[in-house]
Amino acid sequence: GAGVSQSPRYKVTKRGQDVALRCDPISGHVSLYWYRQALGQGPEFLTYFNYEAQQDKSGLPNDRFSAERPEGSISTLTIQRTEQRDSAMYRCASAQERGTQYFGPGTRLLVL
Amino acid sequence: KNEVEQSPQNLTAQEGEFITINCSYSVGISALHWLQQHPGGGIVSLFMLSSGKKKHGRLIATINIQEKHSSLHITASHPRDSAVYICAVRDDKIIFGKGTRLHILP
Repeated sequence: GAGVSQSPRYKVTKRGQDVALRCDPISGHVSLYWYRQALGQGPEFLTYFNYEAQQDKSGLPNDRFSAERPEGSISTLTIQRTEQRDSAMYRCASAQERGTQYFGPGTRLLVL
Repeated sequence: KNEVEQSPQNLTAQEGEFITINCSYSVGISALHWLQQHPGGGIVSLFMLSSGKKKHGRLIATINIQEKHSSLHITASHPRDSAVYICAVRDDKIIFGKGTRLHILP
């Protein structure tokens, strides 16, 4: 596709449920980043991949959060046992290695 | 102390004014990004800098690696420039500033 896409665009879930957020990067982009942005706050880095290798996951808040990119293209961010404090906009971005990042539209997650 | 500091936090100016937004950082970096977040939430990457100066239309970004400082300038500002401007620095991970909310009055 022409840009980075994310799905779903909106997700409402009950506390304790698991959610999986998908990111489709721009074709051929080596790097893929996940960010979280709470309402009224700036983005917060979560993790990033080069190809299928997770380079840095130091931004993941705790072990309920995990991400994978098994074939070096599509990535999934999974949040297990969701909590209300997980409610935020989750964005991904892709780039040529260390190049300009192109952001997706985000998935707005609301945990009730 | 935050590793990336932006100033000002909020800025309101009249259409046509020259705008400067500043970013100072305290960590070693390989690159600095300026991002624009529209009122609707979409994020656009404006510049990626590792040295010197870049210009795109009415936007100019500069970086001084020795002083660990970058500036984003907007010439002949327009109401459509109203947005949050975010500075982000990267080495292995990316650290964001809190953003500068710019409002240009017609």
